[in-house]
Amino acid sequence: QLVQSGAEVKKPGASVKVSCKASGYRFNNYYIHWVRQAPGQGLEWMGIMDPSDGGTTYAQKFQGRVTMTRDTSTSTAYMELSSLRSEDTAVYYCAREKVVNHAFDIWGQGTVVTVSS
Amino acid sequence: AIQMTQTPSSLSASVGDRVTITCRASQGIRNDLGWYQQKPGEAPKLLIYAASSLQNGVPSRFSASGSGTDFTLTISSLQPEDFATYYCLQNNGYPWTFGQGTKVEIK
Repeated sequence: QLVQSGAEVKKPGASVKVSCKASGYRFNNYYIHWVRQAPGQGLEWMGIMDPSDGGTTYAQKFQGRVTMTRDTSTSTAYMELSSLRSEDTAVYYCAREKVVNHAFDIWGQGTVVTVSS
Repeated sequence: AIQMTQTPSSLSASVGDRVTITCRASQGIRNDLGWYQQKPGEAPKLLIYAASSLQNGVPSRFSASGSGTDFTLTISSLQPEDFATYYCLQNNGYPWTFGQGTKVEIK
C-alpha cells in the first residue's frame, strides 16, 4: 500500500513537500507517479520517478517548480512543489505504476494541500 | 502532448442500463490506455489496463475495447455502486494525460 502524509495549509509563495510511504512490495521495482486533482476538477498527471535510481520526468507545466525524490531506506517517495499559488490547491495523489501494463494499480489516499493567504 | 477527449462529460442512467463512455486520442496510442473509476472522497481505482484487460477483482460487467485513437468503456448492467466518475488515461508518451472525466449519475 501507499500511505501519504497529512493535509497541509500553505501561504502563496511557500513550498510543500508531500510524502508517500510504500509497504508490502519491493519499493525499487515500481515507478511512482504523482497526480493532482483541484476541487471539483479532473485528474492531472504531474510526473514520474524511478525509485531505483531517482530518475524523473515532469510534466512541462510543473517544470522548475516540482521535485520528486525518494528515500530508499524508508521506501518513501516525496513530491515537493514550490512557489505555491492558489491554483495549486488540490488533492495530491501518489500512484504505483504496474510495470507489466503501465497502469496505476495502487494509489495513496491523497493529501489535501490548501494554498491561502 | 497527446490530448484525450472523453465523452460524454456526464450522463444519467438507471440501474440495469447499459452505459458506454468513449475516449479519443489526438494521435495513435496503440493500446496504451487505462480506465479508472473514482468515487467522491476516494482515490481513483483501476478498472481496465492495456485498453481491454480487466483488472483483477473488477466485476465482469465492465468491459473495454479500442486501439489507436478510439476507445470505449462499457458497463453492461449498471449497478448502484457504479455511480461514480470515470477517467481514461493514456500512457503511450509523456506527459501521460487523462480524459476530462465522465460523471455517471442516477436517473
